Amino acid sequence: DQQVKQNSPSLSVQEGRISILNCDYTNSMFDYFLWYKKYPAEGPTFLISISSIKDKNEDGRFTVFLNKSAKHLSLHIVPSQPGDSAVYFCAASAQGGSEKLVFGKGTKLTVNP
Amino acid sequence: DVKVTQSSRYLVKRTGEKVFLECVQDMDHENMFWYRQDPGLGLRLIYFSYDVKMKEKGDIPEGYSVSREKKERFSLILESASTNQTSMYLCASSGTEVLGTEAFFGQGTRLTVV
Repeated sequence: DQQVKQNSPSLSVQEGRISILNCDYTNSMFDYFLWYKKYPAEGPTFLISISSIKDKNEDGRFTVFLNKSAKHLSLHIVPSQPGDSAVYFCAASAQGGSEKLVFGKGTKLTVNP
Repeated sequence: DVKVTQSSRYLVKRTGEKVFLECVQDMDHENMFWYRQDPGLGLRLIYFSYDVKMKEKGDIPEGYSVSREKKERFSLILESASTNQTSMYLCASSGTEVLGTEAFFGQGTRLTVV
């Protein structure tokens, strides 16, 4: 039973355009959400997070939006760059992030020059 | 900078061997985790630990065990390696800050069981 779902296995965008990666969750106990980026043969690296008390968090080109009523979050990358090409994982946790992270299956983003 | 170090980047083992994957973190984190990553399946939690000598099963613990004798070290043990345990293994650690904290990952160990 998947508690965190990333329904798009892959996404392709042009350099300079916006990339939107989506994530849905089912567990209403989740209150902390994170995005990780992963290159092949490397460990995931933390990108950005959001607490359930917010609906938006920005960090440079990356913005995460949270819609609690829809149990949906999205990651926006503007403008997209070829170096952003990677697999992006959505993750969720309860207890403000002190509980274990539950990951989605990932979305492979390809940014074309 | 937080550092999570896994002992090997690549390992090749034979079916039936006992395999040890070691992970060390230098941030005095309470929580440590072992995940495996497989194509199309994302990251799946094998075991985690909230404290020294404590361990909890994750979603796929079968065929694995863990050891946490010291706070900074978390070992994953494959009791009798099988080909279906060929995977990328990822160790992570996190603190317990009230407002939430991200988990930091090691570089991964690509294990092949032949």
